[in-house]
Amino acid sequence: GAVVSQHPSWVICKSGTSVKIECRSLDFQATTMFWYRQFPKQSLMLMATSNEGSKATYEQGVEKDKFLINHASLTLSTLTVTSAHPEDSSFYICSALWGNNEQFFGPGTRLTVL
Amino acid sequence: AQRVTQPEKLLSVFKGAPVELKCNYSYSGSPELFWYVQYSRQRLQLLLRHISRESIKGFTADLNKGETSFHLKKPFAQEEDSAMYYCALGGTGGGNKLTFGTGTQLKVEL
Repeated sequence: GAVVSQHPSWVICKSGTSVKIECRSLDFQATTMFWYRQFPKQSLMLMATSNEGSKATYEQGVEKDKFLINHASLTLSTLTVTSAHPEDSSFYICSALWGNNEQFFGPGTRLTVL
Repeated sequence: AQRVTQPEKLLSVFKGAPVELKCNYSYSGSPELFWYVQYSRQRLQLLLRHISRESIKGFTADLNKGETSFHLKKPFAQEEDSAMYYCALGGTGGGNKLTFGTGTQLKVEL
């Protein structure tokens, strides 16, 4: 149990376009999900906390208008990278909070902006 | 501010040797510490958490508040332990948010 999926696993887009990444909890409901960003050979950096039915909470330095988060249901949170630029290329990972404060992680989405 | 330090990027040991992955933290409140593991081409998964006081796959970690450390230990390394290990810090009032260390790549050689 407690499986989290992400879609797509890999996306390439042109500079200036928007990209949507989905995070789903497959076998449990998650009122809270988290979005992380990971640069090569670096750690996971928390971008924002996604709360079902309310606005996301962004970490300091993360542009909320750039990284739009929508948590429309108890099993789905989406991250939209708007007007993507090459510096947004990264590995984006989501997690969903389950039970006793344990986060279950998705497999990640690799974004490449040309 | 919360901070997690993992001083070693890479730790290489021989099979059967003891392993210690270091983790130090900085946090003003009551900390919750976790170790996550990422095997090759797999997602991040929880290995253990300090409040559980469990031994998972032979690994243990003790929270030392005096030294602000949460080192991960295993007495005899196995080849299948080769992976990336991340120490993470949560805490009361943090809304379940986690701060991750930079990770240590453990390589167990035959």
